[in-house]
Amino acid sequence: DTEVTQTPKHLVMGMTNKKSLKCEQHMGHRAMYWYKQKAKKPPELMFVYSYEKLSINESVPSRFSPECPNSSLLNLHLHALQPEDSALYLCASSQDPAQNTEAFFGQGTRLTVV
Amino acid sequence: KQEVTQIPAALSVPEGENLVLNCSFTDSAIYNLQWFRQDPGKGLTSLLLIQSSQREQTSGRLNASLDKSSGRSTLYIAASQPGDSATYLCAVHNYGQNFVFGPGTRLSVLP
Repeated sequence: DTEVTQTPKHLVMGMTNKKSLKCEQHMGHRAMYWYKQKAKKPPELMFVYSYEKLSINESVPSRFSPECPNSSLLNLHLHALQPEDSALYLCASSQDPAQNTEAFFGQGTRLTVV
Repeated sequence: KQEVTQIPAALSVPEGENLVLNCSFTDSAIYNLQWFRQDPGKGLTSLLLIQSSQREQTSGRLNASLDKSSGRSTLYIAASQPGDSATYLCAVHNYGQNFVFGPGTRLSVLP
């Protein structure tokens, strides 16, 4: 099983809503990542979790709050988002963040903020 | 800070042609380099992984090379097909724990 599963596939939320994106992998990977991708742009790193601890936060606004409840799950909590936060949010995992390992990506959540 | 560039930005070729996509990176302190394919609005599908100690990897009609010292990688696609139409992204796995992506090459293969 080399699959990273993201839910939901699509999400429309208002600027006052609170929602969460979920990501799951069962490959025993100990590194998990959130990326944000705007249309016709490459993915941009948001957060890295290494062994369930936040190891990289790329100066992401506090309205995005990551959580890693266990080694298989990664959440991204959203609150008071802006329309410019509309994007494809991609989750990825790799065996170890500091070793030569392959990254596997999910199919993404298409987020629209209205 | 690692910077990754890809040339060309877009490419349109007739079916059956062989083609080469280029990727360059500025910092050679990498674990590996991965080539991905992305269809519109979809996630990333891993095509090939080249470890920093390797020079080349092959999968079917795809062949990727890596010259770490010069900071370059190429993806060669043989006998292109309309189903190959997609955006191709290269990503380097930095010693700094993250993957840095190039801007991508948008490929269109015409029947």
